Amino acid sequence: NAGVTQTPKFQVLKTGQSMTLQCAQDMNHNSMYWYRQDPGMGLRLIYYSASEGTTDKGEVPNGYNVSRLNKREFSLRLESAAPSQTSVYFCASSGGQGVGYTDTQYFGPGTRLTVL
Amino acid sequence: AQKITQTQPGMFVQEKEAVTLDCTYDTSDPSYGLFWYKQPSSGEMIFLIYQGSYDQQNATEGRYSLNFQKARKSANLVISASQLGDSAMYFCAMREGRISGAGSYQLTFGKGTKLSVIP
Repeated sequence: NAGVTQTPKFQVLKTGQSMTLQCAQDMNHNSMYWYRQDPGMGLRLIYYSASEGTTDKGEVPNGYNVSRLNKREFSLRLESAAPSQTSVYFCASSGGQGVGYTDTQYFGPGTRLTVL
Repeated sequence: AQKITQTQPGMFVQEKEAVTLDCTYDTSDPSYGLFWYKQPSSGEMIFLIYQGSYDQQNATEGRYSLNFQKARKSANLVISASQLGDSAMYFCAMREGRISGAGSYQLTFGKGTKLSVIP
């Protein structure tokens, strides 16, 4: 049981290049999330997906697109990378139901992205 | 106004002693959840403990406990018997709204507290 996995772990891009960050979870969770973490800023939500086929904007969606490919996979795309997108990106998932359910989010290991 | 405030950028604690990390929150929703996560230097985010707004008792998970004071809107994390492996960043986060079936519930994070455990 791997939990939440992310690829790649590290990436360096030049301004204007595009790339897709991949995320997969094996916990059968319905909801998936993308966050970015900048120094001194905590984590901020970029996009989220409540279920397969649905996506919604979070706090900082500009410059990003997402795809919920299926229940397991949720990708984040940077169409034209900018230095301001240099950050650590985390994917998370949550799901379940019933008494005592708390909707705890479980995080992947992160992708460290540098845009030159 | 910030929804989650962690006023201690950095804290030091002696090994084997207890430490309290502060977290205050701001919401007008009567239903909410509070979470604490640990981020070691390796970078991953590790879930530690959860407290629901309607929970009557303070949450506990091993050496972690949550000092929940609803009227003061505070949810402080208490780590007992600190260990060297507790050195990390600690983040407080809040989910607003009652969980009702399918749906996504966004987390709002504080800026974190860096805890250093001294041998």
